Amino acid sequence: RKEVEQDPGPFNVPEGATVAFNCTYSNSASQSFFWYRQDCRKEPKLLMSVYSSGNEDGRFTAQLNRASQYISLLIRDSKLSDSATYLCVVISNTGGFKTIFGAGTRLFVKA
Amino acid sequence: DAEITQSPRHKITETGRQVTLACHQTWNHNNMFWYRQDLGHGLRLIHYSYGVQDTNKGEVSDGYSVSRSNTEDLPLTLESAASSQTSVYFCASSEITASGRNEQFFGPGTRLTVL
Repeated sequence: RKEVEQDPGPFNVPEGATVAFNCTYSNSASQSFFWYRQDCRKEPKLLMSVYSSGNEDGRFTAQLNRASQYISLLIRDSKLSDSATYLCVVISNTGGFKTIFGAGTRLFVKA
Repeated sequence: DAEITQSPRHKITETGRQVTLACHQTWNHNNMFWYRQDLGHGLRLIHYSYGVQDTNKGEVSDGYSVSRSNTEDLPLTLESAASSQTSVYFCASSEITASGRNEQFFGPGTRLTVL
């Protein structure tokens, strides 16, 4: 089992749709969680941190469920420009620093 | 503006050659990281550094080395390049925030091909 798992997709949605991605992690001692966005052949860019209480940034909402060991990303009112790969990132510092990236979920938003 | 740069952006080399990829950041971040990204895998951590003279092995460190002689630079060296090291390499830097978060910022990547 991979330490961080994401549904690779692709998710194909029309503009204006709401779409949700989940990411599960295996290390219960993980401390920090993030969502990154990566456009084709570009570097990953930080989309948002994920806080225990959940957090929202405009059309994006991130949630953390420690009991079930997953994080989620909800995108409302999808735009064409949201088309990208979304990477889940889990960081732990128990027994050595570890940053684990999920393999990513592809999103295509169509007109 | 502060930034993180990588050079070269593209490199083709032959099996057995030593290759060094440069990473330079002007954020004045203490933490720097090297990752590789391959199809079907997420980014995998090669080496990381918490500060000058500090280096640590990541998940896939075999065949790679780094050195940290100043805050701004963390060069990655492939001692004897192998075809399995053909990949896209990303450098990142971060600073631990007051809340303990470690948000990493990435360079544009180096595409390395080993023939």
